[in-house]
Amino acid sequence: EAGVVQSPRYKIIEKKQPVAFWCNPISGHNTLYWYRQNLGQGPELLIRYENEEAVDDSQLPKDRFSAERLKGVDSTLKIQPAELGDSAVYLCASSLGTPSRGGELFFGEGSRLTVL
Amino acid sequence: AQKVTQAQTEISVVEKEDVTLDCVYETRDTTYYLFWYKQPPSGELVFLIRRNSFDEQNEISGRYSWNFQKSTSSFNFTITASQVVDSAVYFCALSEGSGGGADGLTFGKGTHLIIQP
Repeated sequence: EAGVVQSPRYKIIEKKQPVAFWCNPISGHNTLYWYRQNLGQGPELLIRYENEEAVDDSQLPKDRFSAERLKGVDSTLKIQPAELGDSAVYLCASSLGTPSRGGELFFGEGSRLTVL
Repeated sequence: AQKVTQAQTEISVVEKEDVTLDCVYETRDTTYYLFWYKQPPSGELVFLIRRNSFDEQNEISGRYSWNFQKSTSSFNFTITASQVVDSAVYFCALSEGSGGGADGLTFGKGTHLIIQP
């Protein structure tokens, strides 16, 4: 079974430039998460999708961040314009989303963003 | 507000030693779930265990064991006879409510475990 796939693995951009990250979750997983992990810290939730609906985006900085999950499968996270403080690893995770399996998240390898 | 504290930033032990990673949590909910995840150098977090607040029974899985104590709000993780492959960053996480964790997790800052050969 294929795992969660993310791209790109690494991205270096100048500040004020746009950037986008893509995630393909595990087949059949209706719940998709985007987390941000700063250096030396634990992951922090940005947004959670149930199928194509964003059910929790309370931690997403909406002035510059946007996300979408078309057709309830792949998802894209965008930052425009990027700031120096956005340098981090952006992690995508998916799960079955049921209470019995809740919290058992399957993570991708992450997209490491460096903003210069 | 929910919070997870992993006071040990980094632990270094020699292979075959036992090691315990501490986790202290804060929550006002009576229903919550606790988790441990492993993050090897590749970066991909791997789920290890989930525990709900009503089940204080300790769990053992091979060389791994978990001690959940509500009285001290702790959920500690012990690796017995550590191996080099255990080297990773370990995260403790918490999810409030009855969703089982599906609503998202609050992670601690992690403990970097180094197993020296």
